[in-house]
Amino acid sequence: DMKVTQMPRYLIKRMGENVLLECGQDMSHETMYWYRQDPGLGLQLIYISYDVDSNSEGDIPKGYRVSRKKREHFSLILDSAKTNQTSVYFCASSPGQGVDTQYFGPGTRLLVL
Amino acid sequence: QQKVQQSPESLIVPEGAMTSLNCTFSDSASQYFAWYRQHSGKAPKALMSIFSNGEKEEGRFTIHLNKASLHFSLHIRDSQPSDSALYLCAVNSGGSNYKLTFGKGTLLTVTP
Repeated sequence: DMKVTQMPRYLIKRMGENVLLECGQDMSHETMYWYRQDPGLGLQLIYISYDVDSNSEGDIPKGYRVSRKKREHFSLILDSAKTNQTSVYFCASSPGQGVDTQYFGPGTRLLVL
Repeated sequence: QQKVQQSPESLIVPEGAMTSLNCTFSDSASQYFAWYRQHSGKAPKALMSIFSNGEKEEGRFTIHLNKASLHFSLHIRDSQPSDSALYLCAVNSGGSNYKLTFGKGTLLTVTP
């Protein structure tokens, strides 16, 4: 059964703290994504990873960075979190070398106080 | 930059009704068009997708694409309460084979 996992599922941090969100997939998908979803704004793309150590900025990369050292694992890092980074973060993966169905993880709900 | 808009923002229909959701896009070079469904508190999940002009049916769901009018739609036949969810349309950007741009969604409520 194809699966994308995210850890942690819920996280509360204080402004200025560092945040690490982790995503894993067991489908050997090449492409992985990080999105954030806010009410009224929909899903916004933060970063795309085409494969190990091959990452590209999405539409809203400011304040975020990513790391992909293994094909099955993709991390999102917030250095010195800000209150406006409070959101639900989704990771997704897709199999192909082009546009294809994206499989989403369950999401991480982040609150920055 | 690709712009994707959905209408209506929300919709309430009775059980058994036909539901129609709309999506417009701005990039005429787009090649991939998809619908995702997101139940409350859950992850988005792909429903169906289409590449070519025309119609595609899968069970109670039909997708229509008209590239010339920059429009595609999702029709749900015999809507069920379990169809109540946020429906997101997604379109690839013509210049990218990897990136999808999502609409803000239509919140569908099917009343028993």
